[in-house]
Amino acid sequence: GAVVSQHPSRVICKSGTSVKIECRSLDFQATTMFWYRQFPKKSLMLMATSNEGSKATYEQGVEKDKFLINHASLTLSTLTVTSAHPEDSSFYICSASGRSPEAFFGQGTRLTVV
Amino acid sequence: AQKVTQAQTEISVVEKEDVTLDCVYETRDTTYYLFWYKQPPSGELVFLIRRNSFDEQNEISGRYSWNFQKSTSSFNFTITASQVVDSAVYFCALRAFYGGATNKLIFGTGTLLAVQP
Repeated sequence: GAVVSQHPSRVICKSGTSVKIECRSLDFQATTMFWYRQFPKKSLMLMATSNEGSKATYEQGVEKDKFLINHASLTLSTLTVTSAHPEDSSFYICSASGRSPEAFFGQGTRLTVV
Repeated sequence: AQKVTQAQTEISVVEKEDVTLDCVYETRDTTYYLFWYKQPPSGELVFLIRRNSFDEQNEISGRYSWNFQKSTSSFNFTITASQVVDSAVYFCALRAFYGGATNKLIFGTGTLLAVQP
């Protein structure tokens, strides 16, 4: 299957700072990338959909000014958690879709805000 | 509206037992995709299978098999002779056919499978 690389896998940051998470499709062009948040023992909650070169579409209830998404190229999307607070601590995971119907997922990022 | 239901929250089996994970979906679309993903403790979601709604053939891949029944809107997943490495959360998902890559996946709530040695 296709490979999606997400970095970093773990990050600890201080409250009030910003954190950037990268999602790269390594061997295919990802026209669309998706960002999810997952709480412990829960399913994935879609945060936003990003298409290369255009603004991301956010799901209801997700603050676009807090979770900045940039999809500057067909292989890279970034999620920036701005002014992070402890309640933003979570597991964030991206997925990428190209020409095939499958979505391929990154390894996820465990964010801890202290 | 689209919805995926995985009624089994947790299943525990002993190694070498067979286990079936249930998935029931709802959609008004006549054409759609169904998927199964595996999420081991490491966190990454691993793609297992994609099934197109117009292809009702069951599929077998090693110890894994999938039973797609359009008449009952079910897409069940069976692991034969389970192993400890099969321990993970398994997600069933649905995606619209038309619209391409921009279509989002609709996930079920997942089934946690614990295989005891």
